Amino acid sequence: NAGVTQTPKFQVLKTGQSMTLQCAQDMNHNSMYWYRQDPGMGLRLIYYSASEGTTDKGEVPNGYNVSRLNKREFSLRLESAAPSQTSVYFCASSSQGYRTNTGELFFGEGSRLTVL
Amino acid sequence: AQSVAQPEDQVNVAEGNPLTVKCTYSVSGNPYLFWYVQYPNRGLQFLLKYITGDNLVKGSYGFEAEFNKSQTSFHLKKPSALVSDSALYFCAVRDKIGILTGGGNKLTFGTGTQLKVEL
Repeated sequence: NAGVTQTPKFQVLKTGQSMTLQCAQDMNHNSMYWYRQDPGMGLRLIYYSASEGTTDKGEVPNGYNVSRLNKREFSLRLESAAPSQTSVYFCASSSQGYRTNTGELFFGEGSRLTVL
Repeated sequence: AQSVAQPEDQVNVAEGNPLTVKCTYSVSGNPYLFWYVQYPNRGLQFLLKYITGDNLVKGSYGFEAEFNKSQTSFHLKKPSALVSDSALYFCAVRDKIGILTGGGNKLTFGTGTQLKVEL
């Protein structure tokens, strides 16, 4: 049971390049999230998708776009990477609905991105 | 707005001693509270949560947490620390209404506390 899978695990970009981080979950969860982790700042929500077909901005959406491709997959795109986007990115998922939602998030292993 | 504060960047404990990692929160209404652990170069793993009921919540690996509504705190505890407990610990909060009304589990995380357990 894979849970939440992120690719790639590591990436180095030059300023101005673009890339997409991929995320897939096999737990039949409705909601998916992208967080970034920076030293001393904890995890900050970039974008989330409460259900298939919807996406919403989180705390730090500038410079990012997302696509909820289907129920399983949620991608994060950097159109023109900047050094300030050097970070570790985590995808997460959760169930939804009054009876099925247990509240917690399930995380992938992370994608470490460096922008030079 | 919801927020979490973890006042200690690092906590050092000797193996075998009790440990406490502090967390205070701010949220409208009743909170859902969580503790997660992160080992080096890994994702976050769920430890325990408080939703309702008993104020003392038991979780994985012998950890427990005490919910104190009057002090708006949710401190993580373990009676006897192990070297293998050394990791980064995050407290997180979400308002109950937000979870139940289909807005997604948009957890707000603290800045993390590095726990170091030494022999």
